[in-house]
Amino acid sequence: QVQLVQSGAEVKKPGASVKVSCKASGYTFTSYDINWVRQATGQGLEWMGWMNPNSGNTGYAQKFQGRVTMTRNTSISTAYMELSSLRSEDTAVYYCARGDASSWYGYWGQGTLVTVSS
Amino acid sequence: EIVMTQSPATLSVSPGERATLSCRASQSVSSNLAWYQQKPGQAPRLLIYGASTRATGIPARFSGSGSGTEFTLTISSLQSEDFAVYYCQQYNNWPPSFGQGTKVEIK
Repeated sequence: QVQLVQSGAEVKKPGASVKVSCKASGYTFTSYDINWVRQATGQGLEWMGWMNPNSGNTGYAQKFQGRVTMTRNTSISTAYMELSSLRSEDTAVYYCARGDASSWYGYWGQGTLVTVSS
Repeated sequence: EIVMTQSPATLSVSPGERATLSCRASQSVSSNLAWYQQKPGQAPRLLIYGASTRATGIPARFSGSGSGTEFTLTISSLQSEDFAVYYCQQYNNWPPSFGQGTKVEIK
């Protein structure tokens, strides 16, 4: 069965960077896009960006341009999202999600809580 | 960027009753709309894509309709497990965008 398993919770200081991983299994990793969506506590879903694991091509929401980098390691079917220059407003649960037909998100990781605090 | 607006913010419904949730797009998204359900502490779960196609394993009591700018998610007879937050998402235009969510609570 399709699974996306994310790395564990992180606590970071303002100004630091965080790198979250998303390991895919149960399907061909390079056949589907990986998207990243975040959710602050009690808030809605915010799309951050997209990566094609086959080509490595990426697209980022304007809000995160210059601060986010999405990469992958195809040999271990793992996608990564790195967010730099962290501030308190970046405290949120970060989800990876598989893009079906590059459109909707049929499978999601369990989420990774990133807390930014001094 | 297309803005998705959901209404109401909170919907109070009794078990067994019908729930109707609305989602409006700031410009046409054709039928390129998905609905998700999210329960506390869980990741979102895909319910509907293409505005009206149920995802695998989704019960028939969930139905989606609409096109262009106006969309509806209907839950025909609410079960206890359906009390959750529901989000719509458009994928017609880049960047994809979500509505702010509708919380369906027990009346």
